[in-house]
Amino acid sequence: DTAVSQTPKYLVTQMGNDKSIKCEQNLGHDTMYWYKQDSKKFLKIMFSYNNKELIINETVPNRFSPKSPDKAHLNLHINSLELGDSAVYFCASSPRTGGLNTEAFFGQGTRLTVV
Amino acid sequence: KQEVTQIPAALSVPEGENLVLNCSFTDSAIYNLQWFRQDPGKGLTSLLLIQSSQREQTSGRLNASLDKSSGRSTLYIAASQPGDSATYLCAVPPGGYNKLIFGAGTRLAVHP
Repeated sequence: DTAVSQTPKYLVTQMGNDKSIKCEQNLGHDTMYWYKQDSKKFLKIMFSYNNKELIINETVPNRFSPKSPDKAHLNLHINSLELGDSAVYFCASSPRTGGLNTEAFFGQGTRLTVV
Repeated sequence: KQEVTQIPAALSVPEGENLVLNCSFTDSAIYNLQWFRQDPGKGLTSLLLIQSSQREQTSGRLNASLDKSSGRSTLYIAASQPGDSATYLCAVPPGGYNKLIFGAGTRLAVHP
């Protein structure tokens, strides 16, 4: 039973389109995240949500809009896709936002290719 | 600003060797440090979480140590196997909250 699952796994789309990536966790965690892994494989935080509330927006363009309908789901919607958005996007979750024992668990990633 | 560095960037070894992967961070005010493994085209698998109050954490052939004061952690892999081939990433939560700062990873290849 997958702990953090995201769909789709692969996404190929044209410039200018709007697309969404879905994420669900069944770990009962309070906090969820989106990370971006660029072509150089460097992982960087995009957003953090705690109990459906946005707590971090790491200077991400406002074409990216996360939505958390409940604490088990965090979706990422991207408007007007650009070539530079091509990357692997990872969803993650952890028991809480800070302090001890905040082990993070990651999904399998969504490889987005903008053509 | 927290920065995480991993050395070496890549490592190729014959099967059976004991390995040490290094991770350093600039701000010692951390609650924990986490080691991950990433296989090509796959997600991240959590290997070990070591708390700031701990010096070591072990799981099977893996042993992670943490020296907060010097801003360093090492991941020791005993008796390496080809199945250990992957990229190993370390990450810390700056100030303990809200996100992880990752190193660039060590790409490990273990050949038979």
